[in-house]
Amino acid sequence: NAGVTQTPKFQVLKTGQSMTLQCAQDMNHEYMSWYRQDPGMGLRLIHYSVGAGITDQGEVPNGYNVSRSTTEDFPLRLLSAAPSQTSVYFCASSYLNEQYFGPGTRLTVT
Amino acid sequence: KQEVTQIPAALSVPEGENLVLNCSFTDSAIYNLQWFRQDPGKGLTSLLLIQSSQREQTSGRLNASLDKSSGRSTLYIAASQPGDSATYLCAVFYQAGTALIFGKGTTLSVSS
Repeated sequence: NAGVTQTPKFQVLKTGQSMTLQCAQDMNHEYMSWYRQDPGMGLRLIHYSVGAGITDQGEVPNGYNVSRSTTEDFPLRLLSAAPSQTSVYFCASSYLNEQYFGPGTRLTVT
Repeated sequence: KQEVTQIPAALSVPEGENLVLNCSFTDSAIYNLQWFRQDPGKGLTSLLLIQSSQREQTSGRLNASLDKSSGRSTLYIAASQPGDSATYLCAVFYQAGTALIFGKGTTLSVSS
């Protein structure tokens, strides 16, 4: 199993550009989630999903959209990137209340 | 609203010391609690998962305890080594075990 994979590893965007961060898991986990990590802030929950077609907001959802059309994939969309969205983004899936994290995407918005 | 606090924010110890990292949470109705390790610029490595019905878990030199009634968890590291230097994150499950709420972490430095 590849576990949780994320692409790209690094990305630089200009303010106002849009992009999608990809996340996939091959463990057939129902629950998936997105976090952002900023210096000194720990990880904060952006959005999560409890299954295909079901998503909900976390602690910091503004500026981000998600959808879950399949069990395997949970993309995170930035419709109009802002410098405040410069961060490291982690995707995770969970099973039996244990979380498994992807390697992260480092995003810089200039 | 669930909040997770970790104390201290940073800790420096000489090699060989036993140490305790603290984690507290405001809502005792948690599902599970998970401790992670993060090296600089890297992803998260799961260290220990404590189910809500358990009081502790052990893995090698690590022991994590959970006291739901007081809203506390501790991570005990025995005989610390320079390779233990990292940031340690505590997290509790949010809403029926779907996703995690994290503390800000404790950055540990072990000198040789």
